[in-house]
Amino acid sequence: AQSVTQLDSHVSVSEGTPVLLRCNYSSSYSPSLFWYVQHPNKGLQLLLKYTSAATLVKGINGFEAEFKKSETSFHLTKPSAHMSDVAEYFCVIMDSNYQLIWGAGTKLIIKP
Amino acid sequence: NAGVTQTPKFRVLKTGQSMTLLCAQDMNHEYMYWYRQDPGMGLRLIHYSVGEGTTAKGEVPDGYNVSRLKKQNFLLGLESAAPSQTSVYFCASSRNRDSGTRNEQFFGPGTRLTVL
Repeated sequence: AQSVTQLDSHVSVSEGTPVLLRCNYSSSYSPSLFWYVQHPNKGLQLLLKYTSAATLVKGINGFEAEFKKSETSFHLTKPSAHMSDVAEYFCVIMDSNYQLIWGAGTKLIIKP
Repeated sequence: NAGVTQTPKFRVLKTGQSMTLLCAQDMNHEYMYWYRQDPGMGLRLIHYSVGEGTTAKGEVPDGYNVSRLKKQNFLLGLESAAPSQTSVYFCASSRNRDSGTRNEQFFGPGTRLTVL
């Protein structure tokens, strides 16, 4: 069965510093992986997705993620955090029935 | 395009009451989904539909029923609400569900349901 584990429930960084949100996955085959973002009191929006093309995937708002098969990871990064990045971020894997399996989420806190 | 809309946005029910949540999409998507989101957990799939007139169970279907009488609408019903169904409910739709480039799920704004 496929699964994802988000290693941190909360991440706090200072504005202007790099962001790293960690996600490990488990899959018996080459997976499709996604990052979704949920801003406070808003719906969910797709940030980026990996579907077996380039291992470094660029998304919206300056975020990117790197698929590392050897480490079974799909960490989300951004070079410089902005206050508008305050949100909850979800790592998601697509299972063999094409359903999305969601991680528990990581809340990103930005210190001014 | 309005995208995916949900009504109502908020609702408070007493235990045993029934209600229906409405999801509508104007993107002509084939697939529609109902999720629930609980604190400290990711979204969990309740039911989904692969086309008009068809529905299927997801991960947590008990206590819920759904109908897809029209392609653009997907209804989620609670026949006898329980406090365990207090949650935020999200509807989503997608063009298809393969692993290619067109499977992005678009989400509605959510419905916050409290069952007392």
